[in-house]
Amino acid sequence: KAGVTQTPRYLIKTRGQQVTLSCSPISGHRSVSWYQQTPGQGLQFLFEYFSETQRNKGNFPGRFSGRQFSNSRSEMNVSTLELGDSALYLCASSRAGLAATEAFFGQGTRLTVV
Amino acid sequence: DAKTTQPPSMDCAEGRAANLPCNHSTISGNEYVYWYRQIHSQGPQYIIHGLKNNETNEMASLIITEDRKSSTLILPHATLRDTAVYYCIVRVPGNQFYFGTGTSLTVIP
Repeated sequence: KAGVTQTPRYLIKTRGQQVTLSCSPISGHRSVSWYQQTPGQGLQFLFEYFSETQRNKGNFPGRFSGRQFSNSRSEMNVSTLELGDSALYLCASSRAGLAATEAFFGQGTRLTVV
Repeated sequence: DAKTTQPPSMDCAEGRAANLPCNHSTISGNEYVYWYRQIHSQGPQYIIHGLKNNETNEMASLIITEDRKSSTLILPHATLRDTAVYYCIVRVPGNQFYFGTGTSLTVIP
């Protein structure tokens, strides 16, 4: 079956712009979580959505937001981009977001802010 | 904050077993231990997970100590394609993974 799909794979934006990233989970998976990976901070949890509701949120500023649609696809948005937002953004999907079920990651979106 | 401690790097000879240790001394009773690996900044790949019993699948074995304060991931016959960063993660209820810095495993021919 198809894995987690993230689009686009690569993106270049200018400081001050905003960006929207998309994540399509594995069919049947209702939980989608987002992570930011940078060389300095490693992999950090952004937020998690389940059944169109944000269920958990990491320690990121309000410029980072997301949403989930009825088909479980999720988007994350970053407004007023800063150079430090350059990172690999990863999403992961799982059936119910329970600790006992596997979560599968997409290949990520590489965002470069110039 | 990461709840795990791993050695930053390890080497393993091709064909030999790779044993990757992880300390998670503050793990709670309902928190699972997960292992993922990441190759060249691709998305992390799921390997195995467990709560308190040892687990085995086609990729690896997971040995969790009785007090659950540490675990070991075993790749039984390491190949060059197993060279990657391996993350030991404590997964809290609510689908949050707290990644540490991982162990960079290099498989040597």
